[in-house]
Amino acid sequence: QQQVKQSPQSLIVQKGGISIINCAYENTAFDYFPWYQQFPGKGPALLIAIRPDVSEKKEGRFTISFNKSAKQFSLHIMDSQPGDSATYFCAASGGGTSYGKLTFGQGTILTVHP
Amino acid sequence: GAVVSQHPSWVICKSGTSVKIECRSLDFQATTMFWYRQFPKQSLMLMATSNEGSKATYEQGVEKDKFLINHASLTLSTLTVTSAHPEDSSFYICSATPAHLPKQPQHFGDGTRLSIL
Repeated sequence: QQQVKQSPQSLIVQKGGISIINCAYENTAFDYFPWYQQFPGKGPALLIAIRPDVSEKKEGRFTISFNKSAKQFSLHIMDSQPGDSATYFCAASGGGTSYGKLTFGQGTILTVHP
Repeated sequence: GAVVSQHPSWVICKSGTSVKIECRSLDFQATTMFWYRQFPKQSLMLMATSNEGSKATYEQGVEKDKFLINHASLTLSTLTVTSAHPEDSSFYICSATPAHLPKQPQHFGDGTRLSIL
């Protein structure tokens, strides 16, 4: 019940294209859904996050789409750039500690070709 | 912005030795810090929740006697890997949330790469 399933495992996109990464969760107590970006040898950095009371959140080129009934959420990266090449993790937390324990997805390695 | 620092960033040591990793919140106080472990090309797995002034809470399957956590102040948590063996080689990452802003998302350190020979 604590799992967060992420797909695809890897993704190759051309510069300027749209990168889409999907996550699904089972625990209905989750109420905070962040996305993190990680470069090799570095810790994860928060990109964008959403609460289940909204269906979409946009910050610059990054958009989260959230489907509460399907228990799914996705990250869209518009106008993908080579500098976006990194590993992306979705995560979820909740059950009274919204910013507490995070359960991470398996990660997606994004490669953006110039 | 909130910054979390880890030290050392990389450590190599012989099997059987103990290794201490520090996690500091540089510009905020943190009553709670989290320790994660990440194997190559895998996700982050939560090891334990470090609570200032009290015992850490360990996740299922994590040996508390092997991974000693001390959170003696509001800006410092330490993880000691005791009697380390090659299978303990991994990337250890900590995170923290400002105590005065409990609804802020976690800030992660840059991790410590531990290699046991």
